[in-house]
Amino acid sequence: GESVGLHLPTLSVQEGDNSIINCAYSNSASDYFIWYKQESGKGPQFIIDIRSNMDKRQGQRVTVLLNKTVKHLSLQIAATQPGDSAVYFCAEKDQKVTFGTGTKLQVIP
Amino acid sequence: SAVISQKPSRDICQRGTSLTIQCQVDSQVTMMFWYRQQPGQSLTLIATANQGSEATYESGFVIDKFPISRPNLTFSTLTVSNMSPEDSSIYLCSVETGINYEQYFGPGTRLTVT
Repeated sequence: GESVGLHLPTLSVQEGDNSIINCAYSNSASDYFIWYKQESGKGPQFIIDIRSNMDKRQGQRVTVLLNKTVKHLSLQIAATQPGDSAVYFCAEKDQKVTFGTGTKLQVIP
Repeated sequence: SAVISQKPSRDICQRGTSLTIQCQVDSQVTMMFWYRQQPGQSLTLIATANQGSEATYESGFVIDKFPISRPNLTFSTLTVSNMSPEDSSIYLCSVETGINYEQYFGPGTRLTVT
């Protein structure tokens, strides 16, 4: 999603469907990428990471895809559940970690 | 991973006053970070705090406004000085640990300045 200041881009997904959250990063020198989940009133929670020498990594119900050619990162959540409702941030690391703007995932029961 | 706690969890303060936020980690870590997150927005790095050295501040943040202490490998404080309503935000402590140097976050301190 694009940077929208106070209004986060929102993705609405039916419970049980797969979710795909996209992120564009800016620094070609970044060699480490992370996805975080932030629930209301809590700090960001580490979900999954990937190094720049990989293009795919799978976790439990989550997959991260990295396309270095177009500087694009995606998070796929399989069989989305109501507990997945949160704001998701991608982050890239070169010398330090830089966070993307975030996407709000709404799961419709 | 690491378990991180912050105090206070929230506070309402008057302009012109200062608030010190504490961050405690359950294991020894070299790198600790302080972030600010304004409502509905992403995280912005304020500074990096390594034990035994001065904190390194990001562009737009200065030591006089956000003094940081890092007395040991499990603890840090961030002070928000001479507060104004523009300082109303969530302040988050983070540590770097693990084989891939993952960053883990505390629950945050929600600050409202009136």
